[in-house]
Amino acid sequence: AQSVTQLDSHVSVSEGTPVLLRCNYSSSYSPSLFWYVQHPNKGLQLLLKYTSAATLVKGINGFEAEFKKSETSFHLTKPSAHMSDAAEYFCVVSKSGGGADGLTFGKGTHLIIQP
Amino acid sequence: DTAVSQTPKYLVTQMGNDKSIKCEQNLGHDTMYWYKQDSKKFLKIMFSYNNKELIINETVPNRFSPKSPDKAHLNLHINSLELGDSAVYFCASSQDWGGLTEAFFGQGTRLTVV
Repeated sequence: AQSVTQLDSHVSVSEGTPVLLRCNYSSSYSPSLFWYVQHPNKGLQLLLKYTSAATLVKGINGFEAEFKKSETSFHLTKPSAHMSDAAEYFCVVSKSGGGADGLTFGKGTHLIIQP
Repeated sequence: DTAVSQTPKYLVTQMGNDKSIKCEQNLGHDTMYWYKQDSKKFLKIMFSYNNKELIINETVPNRFSPKSPDKAHLNLHINSLELGDSAVYFCASSQDWGGLTEAFFGQGTRLTVV
């Protein structure tokens, strides 16, 4: 079985300051990990993915995440927040090898950007 | 050109009705999914479909049934709709069954049962 825990349901930062969205995972297999973003009333867009290559992964819009196996974490960061970053962010784990589990989503972190 | 498209975008219907949501992907992917997003934004997989193999999440009521006329389509049929079925339903596809590649999502269908 696999699971994802997003440690914060809401994160609020000021525009121009760093963003940290925390994610811990649990998996019996070698996982693939993803971060998706959902803007209001929109579908989900992939930000970045980890699939057992480099542990520091760079994504779109200046986001990056670091896979730390020892800490079972995959936190998402961005050096400087922009107003357009306000959205819901989902950490996702996929069992390598696929199967019935499919993608397991965290409960989401709502990112608020203060002007 | 939309990669994964769902129709309709909004669906309002009465309890007890039967409805369908259509999904098409033009990415040539082998695997398609249906996810349900509840009012708290939590996403949960309902079905995975790959090369004629259907994996059903055991918590999904049998009133829900996926239909795949071909590899590019995975439609969702819902019988005897209930108030609790109100949610946003997302279709998605991925290149493989292996979990190594990301899933591409449609824009969602907001279903409201009244």
